[in-house]
Amino acid sequence: GENVEQHPSTLSVQEGDSAVIKCTYSDSASNYFPWYKQELGKRPQLIIDIRSNVGEKKDQRIAVTLNKTAKHFSLHITETQPEDSAVYFCAAFNGNQFYFGTGTSLTVIP
Amino acid sequence: ETGVTQTPRHLVMGMTNKKSLKCEQHLGHNAMYWYKQSAKKPLELMFVYNFKEQTENNSVPSRFSPECPNSSHLFLHLHTLQPEDSALYLCASSRGTSGGNQETQYFGPGTRLLVL
Repeated sequence: GENVEQHPSTLSVQEGDSAVIKCTYSDSASNYFPWYKQELGKRPQLIIDIRSNVGEKKDQRIAVTLNKTAKHFSLHITETQPEDSAVYFCAAFNGNQFYFGTGTSLTVIP
Repeated sequence: ETGVTQTPRHLVMGMTNKKSLKCEQHLGHNAMYWYKQSAKKPLELMFVYNFKEQTENNSVPSRFSPECPNSSHLFLHLHTLQPEDSALYLCASSRGTSGGNQETQYFGPGTRLLVL
């Protein structure tokens, strides 16, 4: 089966700085990689996703990059704001089911 | 925010109790999922239903019993749970389970379960 690893588990950045969260996966059949944001006490919400036929995708301050050869994908948040503080987790879909990372708790310090 | 709803939001139960969690989706999706979210652990897939048929059961103990009467509703029946079953139980739905854009999942707010 698939194994998804996510780093770091916690991340603190100053407001305005960038934040990068990385995930690796093991199953070369995985072809869809969403990122979710979960604020305290709230549901996970999809913030961006990427498919295996694309190397990078951007949506305003959020971007995701995928390296299929190395089997890793990363979430990049630029110009961070306090409301970006949350737990972020990645997932990989191998055509059968999703496998999730353990989550990164991001704190943006005003 | 109201696409996938779950009730109750919080539940405290003893080990001998029987309770049920309910999930409802208003997105016209055909697949529904139960996940368990524990601290410091990745989301654990428990059950998958596609067009009301169970397609995945990830070695979940029999004290958890799912029911999917139609594509919009999903239940998780709980009986004789253990304290280690305390967690956030999340429901999700998607248009389908494989291929194209069908697998994108939308989550409910979860039920925070405490087993005493």
